[in-house]
Amino acid sequence: KAGVTQTPRYLIKTRGQQVTLSCSPISGHRSVSWYQQTPGQGLQFLFEYFSETQRNKGNFPGRFSGRQFSNSRSEMNVSTLELGDSALYLCASSLALGDPYGYTFGSGTRLTVV
Amino acid sequence: AQSVTQLGSHVSVSEGALVLLRCNYSSSVPPYLFWYVQYPNQGLQLLLKYTSAATLVKGINGFEAEFKKSETSFHLTKPSAHMSDAAEYFCAVSALATGNQFYFGTGTSLTVIP
Repeated sequence: KAGVTQTPRYLIKTRGQQVTLSCSPISGHRSVSWYQQTPGQGLQFLFEYFSETQRNKGNFPGRFSGRQFSNSRSEMNVSTLELGDSALYLCASSLALGDPYGYTFGSGTRLTVV
Repeated sequence: AQSVTQLGSHVSVSEGALVLLRCNYSSSVPPYLFWYVQYPNQGLQLLLKYTSAATLVKGINGFEAEFKKSETSFHLTKPSAHMSDAAEYFCAVSALATGNQFYFGTGTSLTVIP
């Protein structure tokens, strides 16, 4: 079966712009989580969605937002981009909230802010 | 709250030698523990997971890890390193009682010397 698909793979944006990243989970997976990965901060949790509702949120400013659609696909949006937002953004899906079997990750979207 | 500490941000081993990557966790509730591997410009791939069944967990690619509650550890081992094992390894903890948010360690970069 298809894995977690993230689009686009690479993105270059200018400071002040906004960006939308997309994530399609594995078929049947209803929970989607987003992580930011940077060399300095490592993997940091952004938020988790289940049944179109945000269930959990990390410690990021309001410029970072997300949503989930009825087909479980998710998007995250970053407004007013800053240089420090340059990172690999990883999406992960799992069967359900509280799924103890772990995430399946996508390959990520590499965002560069110039 | 949960947290993970990975001892050693860089580990080098010779091809054919034992691989030992260390992970200690902190959790106020029974944890789920995971090891993930990340190759350059890729997402994270699940190596193995502990979900309160057997304490010795076998994963893919010959890796295994042992859950030791008394030591709060979940070290990853492989008897014989292969060149293809060179990658970044992340230990993670989650707990059903806290919404299944994953907390990742800072990662250990494994180099395999021919």
